[in-house]
Amino acid sequence: EDQVTQSPEALRLQEGESSSLNCSYTVSGLRGLFWYRQDPGKGPEFLFTLYSAGEEKEKERLKATLTKKESFLHITAPKPEDSATYLCAVSLYNFNKFYFGSGTKLNVKP
Amino acid sequence: SAVISQKPSRDICQRGTSLTIQCQVDSQVTMMFWYRQQPGQSLTLIATANQGSEATYESGFVIDKFPISRPNLTFSTLTVSNMSPEDSSIYLCSVEGGAGELFFGEGSRLTVL
Repeated sequence: EDQVTQSPEALRLQEGESSSLNCSYTVSGLRGLFWYRQDPGKGPEFLFTLYSAGEEKEKERLKATLTKKESFLHITAPKPEDSATYLCAVSLYNFNKFYFGSGTKLNVKP
Repeated sequence: SAVISQKPSRDICQRGTSLTIQCQVDSQVTMMFWYRQQPGQSLTLIATANQGSEATYESGFVIDKFPISRPNLTFSTLTVSNMSPEDSSIYLCSVEGGAGELFFGEGSRLTVL
């Protein structure tokens, strides 16, 4: 069965304390892996798409990487405004469908 | 990226009533997707709406409970029928971008009493 698992469920960091969020997947025929940021009461905001193992994407303090089994979202020197839930999702070649992980709730304390 | 507007942004409804959520996109799209996000949970696909044909529903979701309209290439509605407290969720409209990513509206937060 296709699955997307995110860890940890929640992460508390001090401002400036770098860390990584994990998204592991067990799917056949990966078309793309996607990272989203979701603020409370809002829809997910698209961050990155990764298509193949070894690919990396960066945006401000965020860097996403992809291997054949998992993706990491690295957060360098986070600020309180980075606090949000981060979701990953995968899409498959055979099905026009996205599978979402349960998210990591990040809280960055000043 | 697409700009997606949803109405209402939130509502409080009584058990047994129905609510229709509207989704407007700023560009023409072939497929529109409706997701549900229950409290503290991730996103679950309800159905895919294509213009000019009936929506395709995912396992566990039926047309009688979640009727969908797709009258043109920029607009869709999702109705949540005969609501119960278990229907309290955020309902999200989304469309696919040119690189295969999904873009989402702000969501409609529904509370059923």
